[in-house]
Amino acid sequence: GAVVSQHPSRVICKSGTSVKIECRSLDFQATTMFWYRQFPKKSLMLMATSNEGSKATYEQGVEKDKFLINHASLTLSTLTVTSAHPEDSSFYICSAGDLKRFTDTQYFGPGTRLTVL
Amino acid sequence: DAKTTQPNSMESNEEEPVHLPCNHSTISGTDYIHWYRQLPSQGPEYVIHGLTSNVNNRMASLAIAEDRKSSTLILHRATLRDAAVYYCILFSGSARQLTFGSGTQLTVLP
Repeated sequence: GAVVSQHPSRVICKSGTSVKIECRSLDFQATTMFWYRQFPKKSLMLMATSNEGSKATYEQGVEKDKFLINHASLTLSTLTVTSAHPEDSSFYICSAGDLKRFTDTQYFGPGTRLTVL
Repeated sequence: DAKTTQPNSMESNEEEPVHLPCNHSTISGTDYIHWYRQLPSQGPEYVIHGLTSNVNNRMASLAIAEDRKSSTLILHRATLRDAAVYYCILFSGSARQLTFGSGTQLTVLP
């Protein structure tokens, strides 16, 4: 099956610093990737849609200048949390779907747990 | 967006079948019914999906009501590793993103 990886799996940073999270599709190409955020005991909330070669589409209430998304290739999307604060601490998850092979299904990365001190 | 309704939690005994219900009364004709599950501290995992007919795979079976307003995910023999939050999601081909509801927390008792 399709595999999506994320790096790092866990990161702790100081308030005010920036953190970059990578999402890779390992065995398929993904023109679109999705970034979700999940708080403890809560469901996943879609943050943005990452489109290869074009600007990301952000959900209402998500600050695009704070959560920078770059989708530079068909296998890599990055999410950068800029000037992180403790309230940004969360579980960040990406997903991707290979529309050529796996229509109608999304494959998720293992998630990145961000802790901002 | 069409929404789904699931029980907050369910319990099952190990090695017994589990039937996880989902109501989606406002489903449209182009909506696929998807099921994902999420184990603690992991990303969601695809389980199964269908449109109108019942579906089977190595993980589970999906039973879809004739009017498509409800569906049931069936785990034939629950194991402790099946303890997870199960999400029933309607997926339209025109919108590539998934919208997660609150899901059902399945507890499997030894």
